[in-house]
Amino acid sequence: QQPVQSPQAVILREGEDAVINCSSSKALYSVHWYRQKHGEAPVFLMILLKGGEQKGHEKISASFNEKKQQSSLYLTASQLSYSGTYFCGTETVDRDDKIIFGKGTRLHILP
Amino acid sequence: NAGVTQTPKFRVLKTGQSMTLLCAQDMNHEYMYWYRQDPGMGLRLIHYSVGEGTTAKGEVPDGYNVSRLKKQNFLLGLESAAPSQTSVYFCASNSGGLAGGRAYNEQFFGPGTRLTVL
Repeated sequence: QQPVQSPQAVILREGEDAVINCSSSKALYSVHWYRQKHGEAPVFLMILLKGGEQKGHEKISASFNEKKQQSSLYLTASQLSYSGTYFCGTETVDRDDKIIFGKGTRLHILP
Repeated sequence: NAGVTQTPKFRVLKTGQSMTLLCAQDMNHEYMYWYRQDPGMGLRLIHYSVGEGTTAKGEVPDGYNVSRLKKQNFLLGLESAAPSQTSVYFCASNSGGLAGGRAYNEQFFGPGTRLTVL
């Protein structure tokens, strides 16, 4: 079942902050975050694991609330290069090795 | 390293025709995935494989078949293409986890194949 992302779209001015949320109806083992530029493949940003381990991007942070089955991606002091569509992907505790992605959040940064 | 490559990059089919999309990775990854991307729908998992000779269904498997005869290759087949299969197809690979076989490392995506079915 696809995780639900919110908001669907965000428009910011350069330097402003944004939060993108991802929630699941199932208990999660991991949450992945990716960014996709128009016409390109998704690119890895971060993974958050059950138990608190994180791997990923230096300038972008995220949180994972295992109890609420939610994750949030924090984009602070946004740059023009942050524009794109952000996807969260989730893996449940069912051990089925599937990574299911949400519908995405479109982020547009204005100069 | 080439990473993940996909062949072809573009293809136009007529309804009822068949074709195979090839995904290849040179990172010795165990896990490979096929996704389709449609406007407003995100990335939807079609089929995936956790090792050579294994395949499993994802969210939207109907109308597609897959094979993983070699570890580095993952093939996606359309036996009788339909207009509803017009989409951009992405392949991804993942080294998999160390404990319990979990796919908790990053997905490496290929550049995509744009398929149009008329």
